[in-house]
Amino acid sequence: KAGVTQTPRYLIKTRGQQVTLSCSPISGHRSVSWYQQTPGQGLQFLFEYFSETQRNKGNFPGRFSGRQFSNSRSEMNVSTLELGDSALYLCASSQDLSQGSLEKLFFGSGTQLSVL
Amino acid sequence: QKEVEQNSGPLSVPEGAIASLNCTYSDRGSQSFFWYRQYSGKSPELIMSIYSNGDKEDGRFTAQLNKASQYVSLLIRDSQPSDSATYLCAVHEDGKLTFGQGTILTVHP
Repeated sequence: KAGVTQTPRYLIKTRGQQVTLSCSPISGHRSVSWYQQTPGQGLQFLFEYFSETQRNKGNFPGRFSGRQFSNSRSEMNVSTLELGDSALYLCASSQDLSQGSLEKLFFGSGTQLSVL
Repeated sequence: QKEVEQNSGPLSVPEGAIASLNCTYSDRGSQSFFWYRQYSGKSPELIMSIYSNGDKEDGRFTAQLNKASQYVSLLIRDSQPSDSATYLCAVHEDGKLTFGQGTILTVHP
């Protein structure tokens, strides 16, 4: 079974630009979560999608948005990039990470975003 | 703000020793607990999950959960240099996983 696939692997952007990251979950997984990882803050939850609906959202500004398609693939968009957005963005999938679920989360390799 | 706290590292142990990693969490309603291992430059990899009080063993790894004390730990027996990595504790809260800051473990020959 193929794992979680994220593209691109690396991105370099300048301040003010926008960026779109892509994630294909494990086949059969319907929940996709996005995390931002930085050395100072660790893994911070961005949002989670299930069946094309955002079910959970972390404490990030509105510049961070996402969506999920009918085939469970997900995209994350960051507009008006700031230097502080430089981070590793990780996508993770599970069958259903709803409240009370015992589902496990599996991570992709991540997209390393550098904002200059 | 629900929190997951891990013992501050870095932790250094000699090869063959037992490494002990600890984690506390603030949400008493949490039901699922996970340990992830992250090698430098790689993504987190699930190594253990535990849902009930007590111990759960898988090879050289043992996860321990005490819900009354809101405490979960990971023991690595016969530590190997290949175990050197950052270990992340994660707690399932409100439909998402909340991660601790991680503990860097170094196993020296």
